[in-house]
Amino acid sequence: EAGVTQFPSHSVIEKGQTVTLRCDPISGHDNLYWYRRVMGKEIKFLLHFVKESKQDESGMPNNRFLAERTGGTYSTLKVQPAELEDSGVYFCASSQDPGARETQYFGPGTRLLVL
Amino acid sequence: QQQVKQSPQSLIVQKGGISIINCAYENTAFDYFPWYQQFPGKGPALLIAIRPDVSEKKEGRFTISFNKSAKQFSLHIMDSQPGDSATYFCAASIGDTGFQKLVFGTGTRLLVSP
Repeated sequence: EAGVTQFPSHSVIEKGQTVTLRCDPISGHDNLYWYRRVMGKEIKFLLHFVKESKQDESGMPNNRFLAERTGGTYSTLKVQPAELEDSGVYFCASSQDPGARETQYFGPGTRLLVL
Repeated sequence: QQQVKQSPQSLIVQKGGISIINCAYENTAFDYFPWYQQFPGKGPALLIAIRPDVSEKKEGRFTISFNKSAKQFSLHIMDSQPGDSATYFCAASIGDTGFQKLVFGTGTRLLVSP
């Protein structure tokens, strides 16, 4: 069974540009999460989709970030316009059920560097 | 209150030794405490998890010790091996919402020397 995949693996952009990250969850997983880790800091929750609906987007930093999950399959996270502080590793995770103790399976992450 | 504090930031242990990573939390509503292991170039993967109604959970060489009154929990890796070299994250979540929202520590880079 394929795991969670993310594209691209790395992205280097200039401040003010737009970047779109993609996540393909494990097939059949209705729950999809986005996280971010800024260098040396904790992995921080950004948002949670249940199918195509946003269940919790309390961790989204500001309105420059837009997440979508059309059709309840893959998800995209767009940053527009990117700022220097957006640099970090963006992880996507998925789980079959939303339960509090359900295992979340993480993708390898997208390393974003904003210059 | 949503923080999970993790220490040390990095750790070097000789092969065969015991690796110990500590975490502390403030929010008493946390009721699930997983540990994630991350190898370079990979995403974090669930290693072991504990609920606050038990004080210890062991899976092979990995043990979580949980102290509810002190609001602390720790990961012990017995007989550490070079293959255990990775970054370890503790985390916590609140279950009463019905949805899992993980709060992570800052991570510990473990190097097990041969």
